[in-house]
Amino acid sequence: EVLLVESGGGLVQPGRSLKLSCAASGFTFSDFNMAWVRQTPKKGLEWVGTISFDGGSTFYRDSVKGRFTISRDNTKTTLYLQMDSLRSEDTATYYCARQYYGPGWWGQGVMVTVSS
Amino acid sequence: DIQLTQSPSTLPASLGERVTISCRASQSISNRLTWYQQKPDGTVKRLIYSTSTLESGVPSRFSGSGSGTDYSLSISSLESEDFAMYYCLQYVTYPHTFGAGTKLELK
Repeated sequence: EVLLVESGGGLVQPGRSLKLSCAASGFTFSDFNMAWVRQTPKKGLEWVGTISFDGGSTFYRDSVKGRFTISRDNTKTTLYLQMDSLRSEDTATYYCARQYYGPGWWGQGVMVTVSS
Repeated sequence: DIQLTQSPSTLPASLGERVTISCRASQSISNRLTWYQQKPDGTVKRLIYSTSTLESGVPSRFSGSGSGTDYSLSISSLESEDFAMYYCLQYVTYPHTFGAGTKLELK
């Protein structure tokens, strides 16, 4: 069974950094593009970015370009989201998702709160 | 960015009823549309992709249709576990964008 488990969330001050992880199992991780999606009560669901199956290509929404970096380690079957220069508007629940005709299988999500 | 307008935002319905949720795109998305169900605990499940392809394990009472800019999700006979939030998403181009959601609630 496909399983995606996010970790690394928590409370962080504005301007600081945080790195999320997503441990994948139950499928051949290196065959799939992967995505991060976030959700806030105000803005709803937002696609954050996608990384290709081999890590060779990444795509981001404009509001996180230059601040967030998606990476992956196919040997550890883990997806990452490095978040720098965090802002209050980055406060959200972050989901990782296996990309197949769009984000298909989702993890359970992890909360990130950016506040002083 | 492609905007998705989802309607209605709230849909009161009864058990056994047939319901339809609409998703309209600001430009053609060439059937690159998916539908998701989100439960109150935050769990997200994809129901349909490519407009009308049912995800494995999803009951056949769910169906999707549409083309161009207009798409819809239908549930033929509501069961208790169907009362949840529903979202559409387009993946024809980046950034992928979501509709604002429809809350399907018990009348």
